[in-house]
Amino acid sequence: DGGITQSPKYLFRKEGQNVTLSCEQNLNHDAMYWYRQDPGQGLRLIYYSQIVNDFQKGDIAEGYSVSREKKESFPLTVTSAQKNPTAFYLCATSPGTGGQYFGPGTRLTVT
Amino acid sequence: AQRVTQPEKLLSVFKGAPVELKCNYSYSGSPELFWYVQYSRQRLQLLLRHISRESIKGFTADLNKGETSFHLKKPFAQEEDSAMYYCALDTSNTGKLIFGQGTTLQVKP
Repeated sequence: DGGITQSPKYLFRKEGQNVTLSCEQNLNHDAMYWYRQDPGQGLRLIYYSQIVNDFQKGDIAEGYSVSREKKESFPLTVTSAQKNPTAFYLCATSPGTGGQYFGPGTRLTVT
Repeated sequence: AQRVTQPEKLLSVFKGAPVELKCNYSYSGSPELFWYVQYSRQRLQLLLRHISRESIKGFTADLNKGETSFHLKKPFAQEEDSAMYYCALDTSNTGKLIFGQGTTLQVKP
């Protein structure tokens, strides 16, 4: 799991600003995922990518955008259109089967 | 629809007591099921896969296709087991998982 890094650990932004969360992996996994974790709501899938230059919306994609230009990187942008952006964001990778491996997360606070 | 249900948000037991965290799934095909654990201030990590049929940290989970369940069990809970536990389902063999809502296990001394 040390092969997945998310930065920064804590992020503070003013309302109305876009912010980009970083997720990098050196596990050579094809698939990458973004989730948000809110108390009492479990993990909700935002976006995922199963191959470079391709990605799909998850269950709660509105107000978010992603890119997958490199296998190692899957940045998530939280736009000003996201109505409730304050949350804990988790990035994960998968080799295709056998489950997912998670990064340490970024806690975003928007005021 | 494919779904994972963890009916308990919080499960509180005393140290040494047996633990069972419930997980039910909704899927008509052959599921691949997982348990993940998130200890305080640590990243979410894989605890068990049903395919492996292994015991990790004293925990076991058996897939019951008739009852569509994959409950996590431990005969004697320890305080260090206190954490958030998620059950997850892979229906597509692609690594894309459907997660339950999670159960917080609190083991009291």
